[in-house]
Amino acid sequence: GAGVSQSPSNKVTEKGKDVELRCDPISGHTALYWYRQRLGQGLEFLIYFQGNSAPDKSGLPSDRFSAERTGESVSTLTIQRTQQEDSAVYLCASGGAWTDTQYFGPGTRLTVL
Amino acid sequence: AQRVTQPEKLLSVFKGAPVELKCNYSYSGSPELFWYVQYSRQRLQLLLRHISRESIKGFTADLNKGETSFHLKKPFAQEEDSAMYYCALYNTDKLIFGTGTRLQVFP
Repeated sequence: GAGVSQSPSNKVTEKGKDVELRCDPISGHTALYWYRQRLGQGLEFLIYFQGNSAPDKSGLPSDRFSAERTGESVSTLTIQRTQQEDSAVYLCASGGAWTDTQYFGPGTRLTVL
Repeated sequence: AQRVTQPEKLLSVFKGAPVELKCNYSYSGSPELFWYVQYSRQRLQLLLRHISRESIKGFTADLNKGETSFHLKKPFAQEEDSAMYYCALYNTDKLIFGTGTRLQVFP
């Protein structure tokens, strides 16, 4: 089957605008993760969804960042009032219930001008 | 608190030289540890996991509980090994990643 997909692949926006990034996990995967990868930096955990449990939002850097997931399907990451420091590749990953392997999407490259 | 530390941001070696990418962890229980790899313009993907005790692409990693380490090793580096490598710890229901080490293998 298809792997994790993300859209758009690239997004250029102006400072102060809101953006929405989308992630389609592998069908049947209950776990979904968002990460941020700044240029030349490592993976930065943002948020984690597991089934119908309350999400782990401990990695969100500010209240401008939020994410939603409907059931065990699509997730959207929203960044409000974007800042230049938000420029990064945003990665989504999904995994099966209580399993340790994560499958990553290709990422969305966000550029804030 | 659970934590994964990769002390080297960049490791540069020549082709044929041995490679060791360092990873240290802090975890109170019995850890499950992994190495993920991201080649240029490719997705991040699982390289190996310690419970499998496998060798993938010539890489091995041994869990040393006494030193709380899970270093990734390869006896003879190849140019195609150039990539970003992440060590990760599985904590109940999610992975905790280190900050990654970029391996550059020069010809």
